[in-house]
Amino acid sequence: KNQVEQSPQSLIILEGKNCTLQCNYTVSPFSNLRWYKQDTGRGPVSLTIMTFSENTKSNGRYTATLDADTKQSSLHITASQLSDSASYICVVSGTGGSYIPTFGRGTSLIVHP
Amino acid sequence: SQTIHQWPATLVQPVGSPLSLECTVEGTSNPNLYWYRQAAGRGLQLLFYSVGIGQISSEVPQNLSASRPQDRQFILSSKKLLLSDSGFYLCAWTDLYGYTFGSGTRLTVV
Repeated sequence: KNQVEQSPQSLIILEGKNCTLQCNYTVSPFSNLRWYKQDTGRGPVSLTIMTFSENTKSNGRYTATLDADTKQSSLHITASQLSDSASYICVVSGTGGSYIPTFGRGTSLIVHP
Repeated sequence: SQTIHQWPATLVQPVGSPLSLECTVEGTSNPNLYWYRQAAGRGLQLLFYSVGIGQISSEVPQNLSASRPQDRQFILSSKKLLLSDSGFYLCAWTDLYGYTFGSGTRLTVV
C-alpha cells in the first residue's frame, strides 16, 4: 500500500531560525514528489516538485531534497518568517496511469516572533 | 495560464438541507478533477475524482455525490447534510506533475 509519512507532526520555532521537515514514502513506482504550503483556511499551494532524477530544488528560502533510493525527502526552510506559519504537505505520485497521488498528513509549522 | 475557481468560500447550512459546491477550471481541457475534504487538524481525504464528462469515481461511501456536467466543471452535492459533513472542501485538477488546488470552501453544518 502506498504511504507517505511526514515528521514531525508539528513544529514551533523562533523567527529567523532554520528548520527541516521530513517526508518518507513507499509509493512505487515513483513519478514525482511535491511539497505544498497550506495557510489556514486556504487551499494548498505548490512549493517545489521533483522527479526521479532530481535531488534538490529551491524556491526562495525553501529547499527540497529527494533521495529516491531511500525514498526520503526533506523541506528545509531558511531564516524563517512569521508568514511561514502553515501546514506543509508532502505529496507523492506514482506512474502506471494512477490518477490519485498519495498525500502526507502534513507538518504544522508555527513561527513565533 | 490555468486557473481554478471554487465557490462559495464559506457556507453555513442547517442539518438536512441540500448542498451544492461548484468548481470550474480555466486554461486547460479534459483535466482530471478532484474533490477533497479536510477535517480540522487532519489530512486531505479524497472524496471523488473524474477523468472526463460524466465519469465519476467515489473513494469514500457517504451521503455526498459529485457530477461533471461539463469538461471543466465539477460539482459536489448532497441532498441532506449531516453534522459530520462539516469541513474544508477543496477542488483540484492535475497536470502531469501534480495538483493545483482551489481556494477551498469552509462548510459548517449546524
